[in-house]
Amino acid sequence: GAVVSQHPSWVICKSGTSVKIECRSLDFQATTMFWYRQFPKQSLMLMATSNEGSKATYEQGVEKDKFLINHASLTLSTLTVTSAHPEDSSFYICSAITSGYNEQFFGPGTRLTVL
Amino acid sequence: AQTVTQSQPEMSVQEAETVTLSCTYDTSESDYYLFWYKQPPSRQMILVIRQEAYKQQNATENRFSVNFQKAAKSFSLKISDSQLGDAAMYFCAQNTGTASKLTFGTGTRLQVTL
Repeated sequence: GAVVSQHPSWVICKSGTSVKIECRSLDFQATTMFWYRQFPKQSLMLMATSNEGSKATYEQGVEKDKFLINHASLTLSTLTVTSAHPEDSSFYICSAITSGYNEQFFGPGTRLTVL
Repeated sequence: AQTVTQSQPEMSVQEAETVTLSCTYDTSESDYYLFWYKQPPSRQMILVIRQEAYKQQNATENRFSVNFQKAAKSFSLKISDSQLGDAAMYFCAQNTGTASKLTFGTGTRLQVTL
């Protein structure tokens, strides 16, 4: 149990376009989802925390207008990278928790390459 | 602010031997959790072991165990009988009970040799 999926697993886009990444909890209701970014050979950096039905809370230094997060249901959160640029190329990972349970369950990640 | 420090960028261990990965943390919270995650080349984050701060007993999961020293804010991971499949990046992480936000260390790359 506690499976989190991400789609797509890999995406290449042109500079200036927008890309949407989906994060789904397959067998539980995710009251909170987290979005991380991981650059090569580096650790995971939390970008934002999203609770179902409310606005996401962004970490300091993360542009909320560039990284749009929507958590419209208890099983789906989306991250949209708007007007992507090559420096946005990274590995994006989501995780989810359910109410009353502390452990985060991670998705397999999405590799974004912006040309 | 919480910080997690892993001072060993890389470690190597021979198959069947034991290795210990170090982690220290800093927090002003009294209620928190500590985790070790494994990230293999597939980059899927896998929970290895977790420790509740209020528990004095060190957590154990098969070949994996921790040495939790609360006063020293130290949380090391011991891997016994190392296997080739243990080769991966290992991240130490901490969260507080209410926020559940994870703070990760910089990671330790573990190599397992024959």
